[in-house]
Amino acid sequence: DAGITQSPRYKITETGRQVTLMCHQTWSHSYMFWYRQDLGHGLRLIYYSAAADITDKGEVPDGYVVSRSKTENFPLTLESATRSQTSVYFCASSDQGTPNTIYFGEGSWLTVV
Amino acid sequence: GENVEQHPSTLSVQEGDSAVIKCTYSDSASNYFPWYKQELGKGPQLIIDIRSNVGEKKDQRIAVTLNKTAKHFSLHITETQPEDSAVYFCAASSLSGTYKYIFGTGTRLKVLA
Repeated sequence: DAGITQSPRYKITETGRQVTLMCHQTWSHSYMFWYRQDLGHGLRLIYYSAAADITDKGEVPDGYVVSRSKTENFPLTLESATRSQTSVYFCASSDQGTPNTIYFGEGSWLTVV
Repeated sequence: GENVEQHPSTLSVQEGDSAVIKCTYSDSASNYFPWYKQELGKGPQLIIDIRSNVGEKKDQRIAVTLNKTAKHFSLHITETQPEDSAVYFCAASSLSGTYKYIFGTGTRLKVLA
């Protein structure tokens, strides 16, 4: 049971470069999410998707782009990375229904220098 | 806007003692309250949750209580063990709508042997 996997797990990039974080889930969950985790802020929602081809902004979407062409994949792209985007990024998924438990991936550590 | 406050930010207890973490939410529509445990280098994992039609829920050494009137809920861990050391996050969500969670800022629990 692979669950939800993220890649890369660790990434160092330079300011201004484009970076894509991949997320893949094997549960066929309807909902997928991207969160960032920063000290003092907890987990903040960047974008979420209710189904393939349906995405919506979360709390902190600026500087990020998402797509969901297939139910199982939900990549997150930083179009022009900035130092403030240095963070740990978590992908998550949830099946439609109640209770809507969210299952998290292991995280992607991104450093922008 | 919607907000979840979590206290304390750090908590140290002796092995065998109890630990209590408290959260307060602002959105009256919230009716689902999960707790997540995050071990070092890993993604958050659900440990217990409670819905608004229940005042208390227990699972072995873990319990969660909910006071809807005061809009606060708490995590209780009894007979703490070293493996309980982790960061704990509370969250509030509505079971209808967009399935978005609002997370607290986390509590780092240290269980001292």
